Amino acid sequence: GDSVTQMEGPVTLSEEAFLTINCTYTATGYPSLFWYVQYPGEGLQLLLKATKADDKGSNKGFEATYRKETTSFHLEKGSVQVSDSAVYFCALSNKGYQKVTFGTGTKLQVIP
Amino acid sequence: SQTIHQWPATLVQPVGSPLSLECTVEGTSNPNLYWYRQAAGRGLQLLFYSIGIDQISSEVPQNLSASRPQDRQFILSSKKLLLSDSGFYLCAWSLMGTDYGYTFGSGTRLTVV
Repeated sequence: GDSVTQMEGPVTLSEEAFLTINCTYTATGYPSLFWYVQYPGEGLQLLLKATKADDKGSNKGFEATYRKETTSFHLEKGSVQVSDSAVYFCALSNKGYQKVTFGTGTKLQVIP
Repeated sequence: SQTIHQWPATLVQPVGSPLSLECTVEGTSNPNLYWYRQAAGRGLQLLFYSIGIDQISSEVPQNLSASRPQDRQFILSSKKLLLSDSGFYLCAWSLMGTDYGYTFGSGTRLTVV
């Protein structure tokens, strides 16, 4: 079945550091890929998405590129802020978008 | 615009008591609806999903059940809570055939004591 694997956290970075959170997937066909963010005590919010190979999703300074050849969708940001501290979930959607498969989440802590 | 409401925000219940969590969606019709559970320090576990009023699928056998009495209302229930039912419960909706992803509610923090 479909699955998503993302790097284990927590990831601790200093403010203005470069961020990479790795995500790889296993799926049949051509899934859509997503990154969600969960701030403490809240539900998940869609951060960005990509629906086909080589698409780049971007939002709030975050970027991720759909790499079909490596089955990856790594999240990057050039300069993180304390307000980016949250849990980040990589996810894929297949089967007509009926179900989304989530990774286990990566906690990011940014220190001043 | 579409909104999703989930309540209550927090709940402390004794072992063996019943549970009812409610989720409603506004501003759309015939949404797909989902219940997820997030245990402390762990990822998201899909509990139930529904693509229509009489179509609810269970992903994990357990003492929880789900119902969809109206098109945009999704209820998570239990007759007798267990300690292991503690967690953060999230409701979500999506539209069939679209790649907009899920929209999540704000969650219910359930502590079973």
